[in-house]
Formats: sequence, C-alpha cells, structure tokens
Amino acid sequence: GAVVSQHPSRVICKSGTSVKIECRSLDFQATTMFWYRQFPKQSLMLMATSNEGSKATYEQGVEKDKFLINHASLTLSTLTVTSAHPEDSSFYICSANQGDTQYFGPGTRLTVL
Amino acid sequence: QQPVQSPQAVILREGEDAVINCSSSKALYSVHWYRQKHGEAPVFLMILLKGGEQKGHDKISASFNEKKQQSSLYLTASQLSYSGTYFCGTEMKGYSGGGADGLTFGKGTHLIIQP
Repeated sequence: GAVVSQHPSRVICKSGTSVKIECRSLDFQATTMFWYRQFPKQSLMLMATSNEGSKATYEQGVEKDKFLINHASLTLSTLTVTSAHPEDSSFYICSANQGDTQYFGPGTRLTVL
Repeated sequence: QQPVQSPQAVILREGEDAVINCSSSKALYSVHWYRQKHGEAPVFLMILLKGGEQKGHDKISASFNEKKQQSSLYLTASQLSYSGTYFCGTEMKGYSGGGADGLTFGKGTHLIIQP
C-alpha cells in the first residue's frame, strides 16, 4: 500500500507556543490530504481537508485560525497548532487518498504543558 | 453522521470467531475498515464500495449490504495479533458531489484475544 509519513512522531511544548506537524506522501502524489485528531480512548475525528493550491476546508467546530493548514505541494501538507494549550494535547493523524483508499500516517502525539 | 458500531467490546479465545457491525442511517458511498493498536495509527484492512459486495483476505472478510447502509467485518479463527480496536470509516462522496472526502469514524470495537 501507499506510504504516508509524519514528523515529528512526538512533541512536547509549553503552553502558548506553536507547533508544526508535517505530513508527506512518500510514493504517490496527493492533491487532497486529511487531518484527524484522536483523544485518548476515543475515535478519530476529522478536523480538516487539506487541498493542494487552495484553502483548507475545516469541519464544524474546528478553529481555522488556531489550526493552520498549508498544502505546499502534491506530497506535503503541514498543520500548525498556534498558541497551543493543554486541551490541544492529542494524537494528530494525517491521511492521503490513493484511489479510493485512505492511508494514514503514523501520527504525532502532542503534549502541551 | 457518525456510523454506529457494535459491539463496543469483544473478548475471545484464540481460534474463535467475531463479527463487528457498522450501520448508517443513510446510504453510503463507501465503508473503510481499520485496525488500530494502542499508541499507533490505524492500519487499513479493506474498503467496500458496492452494495452486496463481499471481500476478504486470509481470515478477515467484510460485507456491504445492498442498501449500502450496513457493513460487517468477519474475523475467523482469531489470532492473538488480531487484538486491537476496529474502526469503520464511512464516506458520503458522490452524494455531496465533491471529490475525495474525509472519513467519519464509528466509536470503535475493542477486540481482546486471549490465549
């Protein structure tokens, strides 16, 4: 199957700082990537759809000014959590479609102190 | 709309079978099944696109009913490696007229396999 990578795998930051997470499709091009968030013992929740060359589409309840998404190329999307707070601590996972199948990256565990 | 998964949890002995269900109140474009182990990202198992479809590999298979509102995942002769949380992810693409859509996941089914 297709390979999606994320970096970093784990990040710990202080409250008020910004954190950037990268998502790359390694062996295919993806005009669309997706960002999900998963809190402990809960399901994955779609945050936003990242579109190459255009603005991201955010799900209801997700603050676009707090979660900045940039889809710089056909293989790279970044999610920046701005002014992070402890309640933003979560597992952030990106995915990309190859055909109809959505492949997930390994995830980034964010801990905000 | 979030699909409804059942059961919430299953405890089996090695070699036993399990069925996990995923239901939607509206017809779906597709159903995707994933397994997630603790602390890891979901791993793709299979996708179903056609009403009445049945597919599988090894001892894991799945079905999608004719109305495309219900899917089941079948795990036969379970192995210890099958333990984890199983999620169905549903897609409404084609009905919204857009391109690829993000998935809406059920709450998951925790599967524990005991030796």
